[in-house]
Amino acid sequence: RKEVEQDPGPFNVPEGATVAFNCTYSNSASQSFFWYRQDCRKEPKLLMSVYSSGNEDGRFTAQLNRASQYISLLIRDSKLSDSATYLCVVILNTGGFKTIFGAGTRLFVKA
Amino acid sequence: GAVVSQHPSRVICKSGTSVKIECRSLDFQATTMFWYRQFPKQSLMLMATSNEGSKATYEQGVEKDKFLINHASLTLSTLTVTSAHPEDSSFYICSARDLSQGNTGELFFGEGSRLTVL
Repeated sequence: RKEVEQDPGPFNVPEGATVAFNCTYSNSASQSFFWYRQDCRKEPKLLMSVYSSGNEDGRFTAQLNRASQYISLLIRDSKLSDSATYLCVVILNTGGFKTIFGAGTRLFVKA
Repeated sequence: GAVVSQHPSRVICKSGTSVKIECRSLDFQATTMFWYRQFPKQSLMLMATSNEGSKATYEQGVEKDKFLINHASLTLSTLTVTSAHPEDSSFYICSARDLSQGNTGELFFGEGSRLTVL
């Protein structure tokens, strides 16, 4: 089982749609959680950190459920510019810190 | 936020040559930098952890003699792909964490270097 698993995608949605991405992690030593966005042929960029209390940034909402070892990202009112690959990222603390990337979920938003 | 710069962004070389990629932290000191490789439509794969002033730590399956890493200063790490072959063609990305923000903060990525070996 992979340490971080994401919906394989791709997700094809029309503009204005709401789309949700899921991510699960297997190691209970996971300490910090992030969603990164990666555009084609570009480096990943931080979209938002994920907290147990949940956090929202404009059209984006991230949730963390430690009991279920589950992270989600919700995008409301999708824009064409949201088309990208979304990476779930987990930092483990197992004596040292290790960053684990999910395989990413590709999103296509179409007019 | 912190900035990581990577150079060159694109390089094309002949098989058998060596290619050096630089990764610099521009506004913070990075005792540790990470090197990743990403093949088309695949996720980032950690190759090695570069440690300032000491040897790099390589992930399983990554040849240390093939991918030479040097981290001679607190702001610069270099990855040299030695005797490159077409199968080494990939997108190489470095990253670093501003440890003044803690060990579990945001990872900042370089712009990536696309290597094509002919």
